[in-house]
Amino acid sequence: NAGVTQTPKFRVLKTGQSMTLLCAQDMNHEYMYWYRQDPGMGLRLIHYSVGEGTTAKGEVPDGYNVSRLKKQNFLLGLESAAPSQTSVYFCASSRRTGDGWSYEQYFGPGTRLTVT
Amino acid sequence: SQQGEEDPQALSIQEGENATMNCSYKTSINNLQWYRQNSGRGLVHLILIRSNEREKHSGRLRVTLDTSKKSSSLLITASRAADTASYFCATGVGSSNTGKLIFGQGTTLQVKP
Repeated sequence: NAGVTQTPKFRVLKTGQSMTLLCAQDMNHEYMYWYRQDPGMGLRLIHYSVGEGTTAKGEVPDGYNVSRLKKQNFLLGLESAAPSQTSVYFCASSRRTGDGWSYEQYFGPGTRLTVT
Repeated sequence: SQQGEEDPQALSIQEGENATMNCSYKTSINNLQWYRQNSGRGLVHLILIRSNEREKHSGRLRVTLDTSKKSSSLLITASRAADTASYFCATGVGSSNTGKLIFGQGTTLQVKP
């Protein structure tokens, strides 16, 4: 049981290049999230998904796209990378508890992306 | 925009002492969670308190929630060097079928042996 895994762990891009970050979870969770973490800023939600085939924008979605074609995978794409996207990216997943109230999130180890 | 603000931003204590971190938030919530992040790692869930609860315990952790003051505190008792990490509060907002959380900026805790 690997939990939440992220690929790759590190990446350096040049401005204008594109890439896709892969998140996979083996806990059969319905919900998945992409965050970015910048120094002194905490985590900010980029996009999220409440189920296979559905995605929604979070707090900072500009410059990113996502897809959830399979329940266990959530992909984050950067179509034209910019230096402002230099950050650490975290994926998380959660299930809905029986009473519908509460969601603890399980995080992956992160991807450190540098855009030069 | 950041929902949660944490205080202090940094805390340094001796092993065995208690550590208290505070979190304030702006809008109504359905739950509040605390997470720990060790340097260079992902976040790990510590404890969740629902909006209709006032206090919760888990091992050496004690969380309180005051919805009238829109604030929460995390107490770590008898701290250990291994507790050195960043601690984040996160508030569950919006409708109950999205699970979205808004994270604070975190408190960096250093426990000296």
